[in-house]
Amino acid sequence: DIQMTQSPSSLSASVGDRVTITCRASQGNANYLAWYQQKPGKPPKLLIYSASTLQSGVPSRFSGSGSGTDFTLTISSLQPEDVATYYCQNYQSAPLTFGGGTKVEIK
Amino acid sequence: QVQLVQSGAEVKKPGASVKVSCKASGYTFTGYFMHWVRQAPGQGLEWMGWINPNSGDTNYAQKFQGRVTMTRDTSINTAYMELSRLRSDDTAVYYCARDTSSSWSFAFWGQGTLVTVSS
Repeated sequence: DIQMTQSPSSLSASVGDRVTITCRASQGNANYLAWYQQKPGKPPKLLIYSASTLQSGVPSRFSGSGSGTDFTLTISSLQPEDVATYYCQNYQSAPLTFGGGTKVEIK
Repeated sequence: QVQLVQSGAEVKKPGASVKVSCKASGYTFTGYFMHWVRQAPGQGLEWMGWINPNSGDTNYAQKFQGRVTMTRDTSINTAYMELSRLRSDDTAVYYCARDTSSSWSFAFWGQGTLVTVSS
């Protein structure tokens, strides 16, 4: 199984800051990597798939990069509505696995 | 538009079984795999498995092998997830999620079903 390790587990940043979340896979998984945003009481929302492809309707301040074992989600200018928990997901093969999550708050 | 509507919250005793439904609309039900993901209170996301609604084939995470059964009824565009021999640590929100035509990322999710296991 491919284990996904996310860091940091939480962060606090100011509105307008650039925020970076990393996800490391225990073995190479090409670009079969997705990022989700989850707000309390809601299902996750797909932001990025194939490591760097922005899902339709997602604001362009979100971007993804990386390949192999190291991946990054970047929010170029943090907005109040971005307060949420973010998860990476490996979907190269079953079992599909998620990172532990990164909780993003406003300072 | 694609919609996945799940059944309501359940309270079960340890050792019992629960069956959660997920009714799909807005797309060809047999054209996409349906996955089940759960989330314990305050915890992260855990993939349980998938069902191919076209063939009925399933693939379960090893952790749930022997306790989970995923089925579907194509006549009513509904997928089901049944979990047996429930324990207190099965208390979680259970989601169905549809994959895309090119990947097992999930653009569409059900609203979630809270299953509480308590004596």
